[in-house]
Amino acid sequence: EDQVTQSPEALRLQEGESSSLNCSYTVSGLRGLFWYRQDPGKGPEFLFTLYSAGEEKEKERLKATLTKKESFLHITAPKPEDSATYLCAVPPSGGSYIPTFGRGTSLIVHP
Amino acid sequence: DVKVTQSSRYLVKRTGEKVFLECVQDMDHENMFWYRQDPGLGLRLIYFSYDVKMKEKGDIPEGYSVSREKKERFSLILESASTNQTSMYLCASRGRTNSPLHFGNGTRLTVT
Repeated sequence: EDQVTQSPEALRLQEGESSSLNCSYTVSGLRGLFWYRQDPGKGPEFLFTLYSAGEEKEKERLKATLTKKESFLHITAPKPEDSATYLCAVPPSGGSYIPTFGRGTSLIVHP
Repeated sequence: DVKVTQSSRYLVKRTGEKVFLECVQDMDHENMFWYRQDPGLGLRLIYFSYDVKMKEKGDIPEGYSVSREKKERFSLILESASTNQTSMYLCASRGRTNSPLHFGNGTRLTVT
């Protein structure tokens, strides 16, 4: 059974204070990893797909990286508008249709 | 861009009412999903559909049913709403199995 664990559960940063969110996974074979951003009261918004270890994707102040065991979402010089919950997920395996989601990291960036 | 539209952002219903939550996607996706999201519990899958008229139970199907008569539309039905079904409901769709899910903006349902 695939497992995805995100840490920390919550993170408070000052504006400009860079940090990283972690997504560790246990899967039968790496088929990719997804990152989402979710604002309060809204549905998750897809950010990135990473397909293989060593791959990196960037969007504004966010950079996602992938190793064989985990993914990091690096946030450089965050702004208050980066405050959101960030979710990661892996695609289904073994004939299943169902992706596995982590529970998310709630990020608050203070001005 | 994929667009997944949920018919209501907020709903307030009374205990015992039958509730319909509607979801429409515009990308001809075969797979559609219904999740509920509660604080501290993450996303929990209620039902999914891998094709028209095809459905599978997720982790928490009790008290819910679904309907998928057309490819673009996936409906979640609460047969007799109860207060423990107060939650955020999220619909999602997907093309290929290894593709990411695309979510609607959610329906915040309150059952009183």
